[in-house]
Amino acid sequence: RKEVEQDPGPFNVPEGATVAFNCTYSNSASQSFFWYRQDCRKEPKLLMSVYSSGNEDGRFTAQLNRASQYISLLIRDSKLSDSATYLCVVNILKSTGNQFYFGTGTSLTVIP
Amino acid sequence: DAMVIQNPRYQVTQFGKPVTLSCSQTLNHNVMYWYQQKSSQAPKLLFHYYDKDFNNEADTPDNFQSRRPNTSFCFLDIRSPGLGDAAMYLCATSRGLAGSDTQYFGPGTRLTVL
Repeated sequence: RKEVEQDPGPFNVPEGATVAFNCTYSNSASQSFFWYRQDCRKEPKLLMSVYSSGNEDGRFTAQLNRASQYISLLIRDSKLSDSATYLCVVNILKSTGNQFYFGTGTSLTVIP
Repeated sequence: DAMVIQNPRYQVTQFGKPVTLSCSQTLNHNVMYWYQQKSSQAPKLLFHYYDKDFNNEADTPDNFQSRRPNTSFCFLDIRSPGLGDAAMYLCATSRGLAGSDTQYFGPGTRLTVL
């Protein structure tokens, strides 16, 4: 079983739409959770951390449900510039340092 | 103010010709990671260093080696690149002190094998 599972996508949505991505993780010892954004042929960049209480950053809202081991990302009022791959990442601190587990990513294309 | 720097950004090598990719960081982080990422796939962890301690992933081929001579630098050596090793190689760091630590990526080195 994969450590992190994500919606396969791709998502093609019109400008202004609201889109939601989901992610589940298998290890209950996971300690922190992130959404990264990756543009084509670029490195992943941290979009936001995800907290149990839920957190919002402008048009982006992230939610964590520890009981269900589920993470979500909501993008409101989609812009063309939101087109990218969104990676769900889970962190477990081990004696060998932080171990980060990646989902396969969800591709988003925002259409004019 | 680049924090994780990778050189070169693009590397072309011939089949079987050894190649070394370089990563440096200004964050003074304890942990440095090397990932391989192929098109439309998630980054795949090859190995990481916690300080001087090397941690290899079980499925990383022996063809891939790494060195970390000091806190700031880490190298990825591919001893005999094959066509299947063409990929983006990403270096990343984290503090390694808390479960809430985030990970910072370099811009990557895109490797082409001819």
